[in-house]
Amino acid sequence: GENVEQHPSTLSVQEGDSAVIKCTYSDSASNYFPWYKQELGKGPQLIIDIRSNVGEKKDQRIAVTLNKTAKHFSLHITETQPEDSAVYFCAASSRDDKIIFGKGTRLHILP
Amino acid sequence: NAGVMQNPRHLVRRRGQEARLRCSPMKGHSHVYWYRQLPEEGLKFMVYLQKENIIDESGMPKERFSAEFPKEGPSILRIQQVVRGDSAAYFCASSREGGHYEQYFGPGTRLTVT
Repeated sequence: GENVEQHPSTLSVQEGDSAVIKCTYSDSASNYFPWYKQELGKGPQLIIDIRSNVGEKKDQRIAVTLNKTAKHFSLHITETQPEDSAVYFCAASSRDDKIIFGKGTRLHILP
Repeated sequence: NAGVMQNPRHLVRRRGQEARLRCSPMKGHSHVYWYRQLPEEGLKFMVYLQKENIIDESGMPKERFSAEFPKEGPSILRIQQVVRGDSAAYFCASSREGGHYEQYFGPGTRLTVT
């Protein structure tokens, strides 16, 4: 079955700098890669996703890249702000609809 | 904003009791997924249901856990004879028929077994 690895587990960046979170997956049949943001005491919120027919997608300060050959995908947050502090999860899904999550990255934005 | 609703938000049960967690999907969504999250961990898939059907329960423990999504009413995750190891946050997500990929999560139910 699918296995998703996520790094780093904790990330601290200065406000205004960029943050990058990286994930790898094992199942070459996976074709959908969502990213979720989870704030304390809340459910995960879908923030951006990418499908296997594109290599990059951008939404304001957030971008995702996908390298299907290497089975890598990454989340990039530019011009970080205090409200970006949260736990971020990458995930991968194949045709059977099951989404497999990484273990999460705790992002701290330092003032 | 008719998002995914879960109740109760917090549930305390003594060992051996039953826990019932409810999930109402977003309006227009007919697919429901249950996940469990342990502290400092990611979400683990448990079960995927459509109305009156269990599609994939490969993540469900073989004993004590069951799930249903009746024709009318919310989806229910039922845990019988709870043990301390069942303490976790349980999240429900829903998706639109034909749009399995985009899952939207509820706020979760935090189960504490004492």
